Amino acid sequence: ELKVEQNPLFLSMQEGKNYTIYCNYSTTSDRLYWYRQDPGKSLESLFVLLSNGAVKQEGRLMASLDTKARLSTLHITAAVHDLSATYFCAVLINQAGTALIFGKGTTLSVSS
Amino acid sequence: EAGVVQSPRYKIIEKKQPVAFWCNPISGHNTLYWYRQNLGQGPELLIRYENEEAVDDSQLPKDRFSAERLKGVDSTLKIQPAELGDSAVYLCASSFRAGLETQYFGPGTRLLVL
Repeated sequence: ELKVEQNPLFLSMQEGKNYTIYCNYSTTSDRLYWYRQDPGKSLESLFVLLSNGAVKQEGRLMASLDTKARLSTLHITAAVHDLSATYFCAVLINQAGTALIFGKGTTLSVSS
Repeated sequence: EAGVVQSPRYKIIEKKQPVAFWCNPISGHNTLYWYRQNLGQGPELLIRYENEEAVDDSQLPKDRFSAERLKGVDSTLKIQPAELGDSAVYLCASSFRAGLETQYFGPGTRLLVL
């Protein structure tokens, strides 16, 4: 059974500081996604990582993938309040696209 | 471009009552997904459609849940009868095709069963 584990599940951040969220998965996968969800809203696609060593950056967020370690990280640079949300990683288990398997999510709260 | 549309956004019902959710995917997207998201959890797949065919419904509780996607566009997810444990957010997502395409999610229907 594929498991996707995120940590931490909650992260209280100070504005201007750097943080990292980790996403571990238990079996090989073709690709990994990061989504953002604001309270009461749906999921917004942030990144898709396709291969080992892939790195994607958008603003203060940078995602990377190590398929050998089955690990993805989401790095936050100089946190700002607008980044407060819940972030999910999701793993695609095969090209047939059975489903995305989601982690439980990491809830970020940025305070000044 | 319009995103995935879902209705209603909120629904409160008493247990044992039926309920239905509607989804209109992004135009041109052949693959449609229904997910359930429990409080504090990530979404879990209930059923996946390729056009009008349900190709993965292994996680759908078939004793009370049913779904259809007529003409390969809109989809309806039904629960009959609803149980207290069905309280959750029901998310619809679509992609151009299965597998290698990003899934785009709708705003969800928040169901509360009393």
